[in-house]
Amino acid sequence: GAVVSQHPSRVICKSGTSVKIECRSLDFQATTMFWYRQFPKQSLMLMATSNEGSKATYEQGVEKDKFLINHASLTLSTLTVTSAHPEDSSFYICSARTNTGELFFGEGSRLTVL
Amino acid sequence: AQKITQTQPGMFVQEKEAVTLDCTYDTSDPSYGLFWYKQPSSGEMIFLIYQGSYDQQNATEGRYSLNFQKARKSANLVISASQLGDSAMYFCAMIRGNFNKFYFGSGTKLNVKP
Repeated sequence: GAVVSQHPSRVICKSGTSVKIECRSLDFQATTMFWYRQFPKQSLMLMATSNEGSKATYEQGVEKDKFLINHASLTLSTLTVTSAHPEDSSFYICSARTNTGELFFGEGSRLTVL
Repeated sequence: AQKITQTQPGMFVQEKEAVTLDCTYDTSDPSYGLFWYKQPSSGEMIFLIYQGSYDQQNATEGRYSLNFQKARKSANLVISASQLGDSAMYFCAMIRGNFNKFYFGSGTKLNVKP
């Protein structure tokens, strides 16, 4: 089946630094990718929808300048958490949609900001 | 290797009837957690229910219950008294090991008929 890879799976950083998380569709082209944030045992909050070659569409309440999303190719979308703070610590998960509408998820990236 | 398997890509159920959505998982870790999420057309993943691998009793949340059969490695979601608003995609997910990775199933699209 289709595979979506996220990297890194775990990252620990100091407060004030920026962290980049990659989401790759390994065996299909994804014109649309989604980024979610998960709090323990809670919903996956949709942060933004990323379309290849265009600006991401952010959900209400998500800071665009804080969470930079780039979808430069049909197989790669990146999420950069800029000037990370401890409250940004969370699980970030991406998903990618095939051209037939199926959705596949990455394994998530756990960010810990010290 | 497939970690989470949802064998029903689509299902129909009559309003007010109960429905079971299948989910099987694969892990050798003794410690893991199982989730069910509902995804309406808005895109957000709404947390429904959680079952820990050491939980002795099946998890229940309102109309949702998780039929956890550890030996068979299955975690089926049971929705009682289906409502029209239950029509959505449903994803089964597992977090395992040191809780650094999420695995999602391919989803089941549930349609509730009036």
